[in-house]
Amino acid sequence: GGIITQTPKFLIGQEGQKLTLKCQQNFNHDTMYWYRQDSGKGLRLIYYSITENDLQKGDLSEGYDASREKKSSFSLTVTSAQKNEMAVFLCASSMNTGQLYFGEGSKLTVL
Amino acid sequence: TQTVSQSDAHVTVFEGDSVELRCNYSYGGSIYLSWYIQHHGRGLQFLLKYYSGNPVVQGVNGFEAEFSKSDSSFHLRKASVHWSDSAVYFCAVSADYGNEKITFGAGTKLTIKP
Repeated sequence: GGIITQTPKFLIGQEGQKLTLKCQQNFNHDTMYWYRQDSGKGLRLIYYSITENDLQKGDLSEGYDASREKKSSFSLTVTSAQKNEMAVFLCASSMNTGQLYFGEGSKLTVL
Repeated sequence: TQTVSQSDAHVTVFEGDSVELRCNYSYGGSIYLSWYIQHHGRGLQFLLKYYSGNPVVQGVNGFEAEFSKSDSSFHLRKASVHWSDSAVYFCAVSADYGNEKITFGAGTKLTIKP
C-alpha cells in the first residue's frame, strides 16, 4: 500500500507571510489535489495537477500558487496569509478512477 | 459544471438503527459519484463509488449507496450502525469517468447515540 505525507502537520504564520505546504505520495498516481477545509465545512478545490509540471485551477485558487515539479510531490503556497485565517489543507492523489487517497491534513493558523 | 448537495448537515441515530444520508447532484452528462468518510481530525477515506451498471453499490463496513438518475441522487445507507460510524460523510462528483476535477458536498455529520 501507499501513503500520502503532508508537511508540516501544523503551520503558524503571520499576516502577509508567504507559507508553503508540501505533499508527497508513493502510489505513483498521476493526479494530485489540494483542498481547503474550513471548520465544520466541506472541501473546496484549490488546485489540481494531472501530471508532472501541469497545474489546473480549482474553485478557490485566488491567493494560492501550486507547483508539481515531480510526479510524487505537489506543493501549495499561500501567497499572503490573512489574519485570523484558520483552515485545514488536504492533499490527495488519484489514478483517475474517481477514488481519491487523502493525507492527514495540514492545519494553518495565522496570527 | 457539476454540483453536489447534501441536505442534512447533522443526522443523529441510535446504535443499531438504520440510516440514510442524502446526496443530490446536478450535471447534464455522465456522472461519477463517490462517498467518503472523515473521522475527527483525520483525512478522508474512500467508502464506495458508482459510474455505471448496477445502481446499488456496496462499500466497506456494510455501507451501500443507490444511484437514481431520475432523482439525481446517490444516497448512502447502512442497515445497522455502530458507534464507530460516527463521523462526517462526504458525497463527491466528477463529470465523467477519468475527469480529474472532483467536487465535494458540504458533508453530513453522523452522530450515533448508545
